[in-house]
Amino acid sequence: KNQVEQSPQSLIILEGKNCTLQCNYTVSPFSNLRWYKQDTGRGPVSLTIMTFSENTKSNGRYTATLDADTKQSSLHITASQLSDSASYICVVSGQAGTALIFGKGTTLSVSS
Amino acid sequence: DTGVSQNPRHKITKRGQNVTFRCDPISEHNRLYWYRQTLGQGPEFLTYFQNEAQLEKSRLLSDRFSAERPKGSFSTLEIQRTEQGDSAMYLCASTWTSGYNEQFFGPGTRLTVL
Repeated sequence: KNQVEQSPQSLIILEGKNCTLQCNYTVSPFSNLRWYKQDTGRGPVSLTIMTFSENTKSNGRYTATLDADTKQSSLHITASQLSDSASYICVVSGQAGTALIFGKGTTLSVSS
Repeated sequence: DTGVSQNPRHKITKRGQNVTFRCDPISEHNRLYWYRQTLGQGPEFLTYFQNEAQLEKSRLLSDRFSAERPKGSFSTLEIQRTEQGDSAMYLCASTWTSGYNEQFFGPGTRLTVL
């Protein structure tokens, strides 16, 4: 069964600290893996997209890694800001153009 | 074009009523997706269109749900005889069939069934 699992379920950190979110997937065939940020009550916004051959991709303070052999990905957030408080969702595409498989997300709370 | 738009943003209805949501995708995008998201969960796929053709429907899409994209542009999602379990955020996303097929999401329609 195609699944995407994320950990931790929730996380609280102090402003300025770094954090890493984890994603494991069992999707096959694999096309690409995306990380989305979803603010409360809003639609998800794409942070990074990685294909099979890409190991890392950065978007500002966000850095995603992908190990296609172990089917694991991580999202590292550097120097967190209050505005980083959101749900971070790992999403895997099984085949280009078909529906995405979403994880349940990690809820990040950044406090001052 | 400022992105994917959805209307209404919020809808409160009584059980048994019909509701219809609208999604306007990014104009050059030929694929349009509908998702449902409940609290604390990731979005779940409902259906998608390529141009005006509905190519795939999830088992989540019961007979009370129907979606259309008559001219290959905007899409509507109708729920008939709403139930309390239909309460959720309904998200629309669009993409162009090339490259990463990155899906751009709208802000969603929050449905509350009383």
